[in-house]
Amino acid sequence: QVHLVQSGAEVKKPGASVKVSCKVSGSILTELSVHWVRQAPGKGLEWLGGFDPEDGEEIYAPQFTGRLTMSADTSTDTAYMELSSLRSEDTAVYYCATELFMDLEYWGQGTLVSVSS
Amino acid sequence: SSELTQDPSVSVALGQAVRITCQGDSLRAFFASWYQQKPGQAPTLIISNKNNRPSGIPDRFSGSFSGDTASLTITGAQTEDEADYYCNSRDISGNFLVFGGGTKLTVL
Repeated sequence: QVHLVQSGAEVKKPGASVKVSCKVSGSILTELSVHWVRQAPGKGLEWLGGFDPEDGEEIYAPQFTGRLTMSADTSTDTAYMELSSLRSEDTAVYYCATELFMDLEYWGQGTLVSVSS
Repeated sequence: SSELTQDPSVSVALGQAVRITCQGDSLRAFFASWYQQKPGQAPTLIISNKNNRPSGIPDRFSGSFSGDTASLTITGAQTEDEADYYCNSRDISGNFLVFGGGTKLTVL
């Protein structure tokens, strides 16, 4: 069974960047496509983008292009999501999830990112 | 706004059946999957886009499609089914994933 463990909560100021990690166990990262989803307080789920470490293909939701970077360290089976130019509206819980044929099968526990001056 | 439309809230009496729908033009080309989310927890895949239930998901959950609408049916709702439910599929371009706005299910 695949298990995803994310890094801890972050507090950032507007304009800063945040990098969230997602460590995979129970499989190897090159066999997985990792996607990122966020959820603002009291709101629904929002897809940010997906990254396939095996071929390096990235796809970002249009509203995050230019601000979002997904990467991976296959030596440690860890995926990363970095969001720059943070604003208060980016305050949310950020989830990583593995994708298989468009299904998001396994999810991390979530990382709260708070943006406040 | 979401390209997949869900009713914000639905209620059902304990033990009765309930259908949660997800409507969008992209569903004429792409299947949808369904996720359950309870307060303070990560979402859980309960119906795949092939209408299969992952291991451990009770068989009272089922999915179906018709035209531009995907449906999640719970046959014999239980108190533990009270949660938010989200559909997920591709957008009309086929390039991106999108979620419905979510449906809050209340079991009375």
